Amino acid sequence: DTAVSQTPKYLVTQMGNDKSIKCEQNLGHDTMYWYKQDSKKFLKIMFSYNNKELIINETVPNRFSPKSPDKAHLNLHINSLELGDSAVYFCASSHRSNQPQHFGDGTRLSIL
Amino acid sequence: QQPVQSPQAVILREGEDAVINCSSSKALYSVHWYRQKHGEAPVFLMILLKGGEQKGHEKISASFNEKKQQSSLYLTASQLSYSGTYFCGTLTGTASKLTFGTGTRLQVTL
Repeated sequence: DTAVSQTPKYLVTQMGNDKSIKCEQNLGHDTMYWYKQDSKKFLKIMFSYNNKELIINETVPNRFSPKSPDKAHLNLHINSLELGDSAVYFCASSHRSNQPQHFGDGTRLSIL
Repeated sequence: QQPVQSPQAVILREGEDAVINCSSSKALYSVHWYRQKHGEAPVFLMILLKGGEQKGHEKISASFNEKKQQSSLYLTASQLSYSGTYFCGTLTGTASKLTFGTGTRLQVTL
């Protein structure tokens, strides 16, 4: 039974489109995260939610909007996709910020 | 600011040892270590809290020197399965965000 699951695994789309990535965790964790890993493999936090409340909102374009319908789900919607959005997006969860984070398998987003 | 890891990359023969360093410009509350194999998600290895503790996970251990704002990961008698990119992650407080380091690519060969 997958602990943190993301869908889709691959996303290939054209510039200007809108897309969503879904994330679900069954670990009972209170905190969920979105990370972006670029081509140089740097892992950068984008957002963090604790019990459906946004607690970290990094300098990310407004085109990225997270939504947490409940503490087990954290989705990421991206409007007007640009070439620079191509990356691997990881969802993760933990009990608290100072606890181990469990990552999903990632969503590989390619913009044509 | 992102913690800096050194070396950027290292190639080892099976059975050799390696040390990966993580250095921060900020005072640290804790350091996390993760390993990411190619095409996979990062996997948690260990957390070190301030107090200079040392932790071990089989033949992988780590230390944390809060005065120097540094942590080191020690891999002894490396195995092929140790290959991957190692990331440190640092927290400056209990409620702060985890900031990942620049990464160290480790390759273990026969």
